[in-house]
Amino acid sequence: AAGVIQSPRHLIKEKRETATLKCYPIPRHDTVYWYQQGPGQDPQFLISFYEKMQSDKGSIPDRFSAQQFSDYHSELNMSSLELGDSALYFCASSPTGSSSYNEQFFGPGTRLTVL
Amino acid sequence: DAKTTQPPSMDCAEGRAANLPCNHSTISGNEYVYWYRQIHSQGPQYIIHGLKNNETNEMASLIITEDRKSSTLILPHATLRDTAVYYCIVSPQGGGGADGLTFGKGTHLIIQP
Repeated sequence: AAGVIQSPRHLIKEKRETATLKCYPIPRHDTVYWYQQGPGQDPQFLISFYEKMQSDKGSIPDRFSAQQFSDYHSELNMSSLELGDSALYFCASSPTGSSSYNEQFFGPGTRLTVL
Repeated sequence: DAKTTQPPSMDCAEGRAANLPCNHSTISGNEYVYWYRQIHSQGPQYIIHGLKNNETNEMASLIITEDRKSSTLILPHATLRDTAVYYCIVSPQGGGGADGLTFGKGTHLIIQP
């Protein structure tokens, strides 16, 4: 079965640079979520989109922005990178936002290292 | 979202049932109990969810107390591949929203050979 695709899988950036992470949801999933997991930490919800509109917002820094496109893929844009942004970034998708429960399918993650 | 409390770690012998408890005493009427697990550095994986009735699927069983203040995830025949961090999460019913999941500390379950 098709899974969530994230690219790139690994990314190394310098401080103050920008990074763009991409997420391709499972076909026919119209809802996308982004999570950040720092070293030794638990995943933290950043933001979600349903039908290309921002739906829920968590602890996403102002330096980060995200959007969902017409083909439902999503991009997380991170600017002015800091050392503390080094983390695993997971994207998850789920079927229509009107589903009766919140089962999210996670991708393999993008490991961002900021030097 | 309601807060959950789980033991930080548990051991279980391979082939035995693993019973993972979770406290969610402030759960409200429209909130479901979800269980996810994360095998080392992989994306979290959905296991099961429930509202007030006990639930079973091919992976696990979920027992929710009558007052809904606690629950237990049961892995009936644990294998080494079940070693992971297990998260108990309380979340509102999906219905039209795209609510982010609030991961707490979770229980690191170690299956011993």
